[in-house]
Amino acid sequence: GENVEQHPSTLSVQEGDSAVIKCTYSDSASNYFPWYKQELGKRPQLIIDIRSNVGEKKDQRIAVTLNKTAKHFSLHITETQPEDSAVYFCAARMGANNLFFGTGTRLTVIP
Amino acid sequence: DTGVSQDPRHKITKRGQNVTFRCDPISEHNRLYWYRQTLGQGPEFLTYFQNEAQLEKSRLLSDRFSAERPKGSFSTLEIQRTEQGDSAMYLCASSRGQGKLDYGYTFGSGTRLTVV
Repeated sequence: GENVEQHPSTLSVQEGDSAVIKCTYSDSASNYFPWYKQELGKRPQLIIDIRSNVGEKKDQRIAVTLNKTAKHFSLHITETQPEDSAVYFCAARMGANNLFFGTGTRLTVIP
Repeated sequence: DTGVSQDPRHKITKRGQNVTFRCDPISEHNRLYWYRQTLGQGPEFLTYFQNEAQLEKSRLLSDRFSAERPKGSFSTLEIQRTEQGDSAMYLCASSRGQGKLDYGYTFGSGTRLTVV
């Protein structure tokens, strides 16, 4: 199956700075890469996703980049705010199969 | 329809007891997934249904675990003879898809199981 690695496990940034979280995947057939935000005690919520036919996608302060050759993808959050503090998970999926998740990054935005 | 619903939200059970959880997906979603999440970890895949057919099961799903989706709508996950290692958050997710095309998961709030 797919193996997804995520780094860093914790990340602290000052409010207004940018945050970058990186993931690598093992199966070159994976073609869908979502990112989820999970606040304490709550469900994971999809914040952005990218498919393998696209190299970059942006939604306001959030962007995701995908490098298929290197099999890695990254989440970029600009102008961070305290409400961005949460655990972020990357995931990868091949076709219609289940998602494989990374181990998560705990982001803390310091006011 | 307000999303994926899971019941109960919390369950405390004694070791050796059986437990059953329910998941009601978003009504138009044909795909349903069960995941398990322990503290500090990402969700781990357990099993997946497309309509009423169980298409994939993880090696994590021992013979004490069984899942059903009898009419292609709600699903149940049963754990028999619970062990302390079963303590986790059990997440259900649903999606709409056809073939290789899928529109992304929506997760429920989960059932937190504590085995004492």
